[in-house]
Amino acid sequence: SQQGEEDPQALSIQEGENATMNCSYKTSINNLQWYRQNSGRGLVHLILIRSNEREKHSGRLRVTLDTSKKSSSLLITASRAADTASYFCATDARNSGGYQKVTFGTGTKLQVIP
Amino acid sequence: ETGVTQTPRHLVMGMTNKKSLKCEQHLGHNAMYWYKQSAKKPLELMFVYSLEERVENNSVPSRFSPECPNSSHLFLHLHTLQPEDSALYLCASSQEGAQGDEQYFGPGTRLTVT
Repeated sequence: SQQGEEDPQALSIQEGENATMNCSYKTSINNLQWYRQNSGRGLVHLILIRSNEREKHSGRLRVTLDTSKKSSSLLITASRAADTASYFCATDARNSGGYQKVTFGTGTKLQVIP
Repeated sequence: ETGVTQTPRHLVMGMTNKKSLKCEQHLGHNAMYWYKQSAKKPLELMFVYSLEERVENNSVPSRFSPECPNSSHLFLHLHTLQPEDSALYLCASSQEGAQGDEQYFGPGTRLTVT
């Protein structure tokens, strides 16, 4: 089973609308990150929220974290066609050796229609 | 530009070939990662190097052999691959030690095994 699972798997909205993506995870984490990936390219870090934070903003992005429910959401406001991409959540925990272990979810494919 | 480069960007190889993927980071980071991304599957962590020492090997077949000669370079040596190894191979780097290290990804190498 996946550490991080995004919901929905795919989302199609009109330009200007808001897009909300959710991520659920299973084990305790140090922090949760959201990444974006344009088709066939590498991932780009968007925002990080620590386990003791509940909400964080960055430009048109708003991330929430509920550690009691082991879930996070990413809200993109006033979407643009250029926001079309896949979005991944990644949970950060330390492995038994004390090294960072980041586990990615399956991703939400967002399409913003002009 | 994320400061992480990968070459080649595309590679087609037969099952009996030997090839190598190269990753270079210009960010002064001390940790480097190889990931495999297949269609409709989550990003799979393959190897982690911290301070040039391999600290994680996620049950990767021996036909994949990583090498980290210094903190800026990471290689993935390939031999006797199978068609199911066709995927996007992503390299990433981060600065270990700080809580919540974000990872910087290269653009990936699209590998096709024929």
